[in-house]
Amino acid sequence: AQSVTQLDSHVSVSEGTPVLLRCNYSSSYSPSLFWYVQHPNKGLQLLLKYTSAATLVKGINGFEAEFKKSETSFHLTKPSAHMSDAAEYFCVVMDTGRRALTFGSGTRLQVQP
Amino acid sequence: EAGVTQFPSHSVIEKGQTVTLRCDPISGHDNLYWYRRVMGKEIKFLLHFVKESKQDESGMPNNRFLAERTGGTYSTLKVQPAELEDSGVYFCASSQVLAGVETQYFGPGTRLLVL
Repeated sequence: AQSVTQLDSHVSVSEGTPVLLRCNYSSSYSPSLFWYVQHPNKGLQLLLKYTSAATLVKGINGFEAEFKKSETSFHLTKPSAHMSDAAEYFCVVMDTGRRALTFGSGTRLQVQP
Repeated sequence: EAGVTQFPSHSVIEKGQTVTLRCDPISGHDNLYWYRRVMGKEIKFLLHFVKESKQDESGMPNNRFLAERTGGTYSTLKVQPAELEDSGVYFCASSQVLAGVETQYFGPGTRLLVL
């Protein structure tokens, strides 16, 4: 069975400093991995996805994530945080053979001025 | 192109009442999913339609929940009778598979509060 663990429920950074949101997954097969973001009172927006091509995936708004099979990790990073990045971020896995997404518990990112 | 839309955005009902949530997927998307997030928990899968057929309904919590997708376009999710524990945010997503890759696009959600 697949599962996703987001290691931090809350992360606080200062504007202009790097962002690191951690995610570990377990999956029986070769998974597809995603990061979604939810801004307050908005829906879930796809940030980026990994589907067994390049292990370093670039997404929207300067975010990127690196798939590390040996560590079963898919951490999300951004070199410089912006105030508009404050939101809740979800790491998500989809196993081959089953289309339902499995979500992590979410990481709430705060960006301090 | 319009995204996934959901109606209503908010609903407040009393325990024992019935509520129907609606989802309109992106035009041309055969796959439609329902998920929900109850307070303090992860977002959980409820069910998956391919066109008008239920492909996977393993996440439906009990028989008080009924989902339909007549004609393979919009979908409804009915909760009857609603219980307190049904409160949460109900998300709909749609997708199509291109070159073997699927991406699910989510709607804004319906916030349901059962009193």
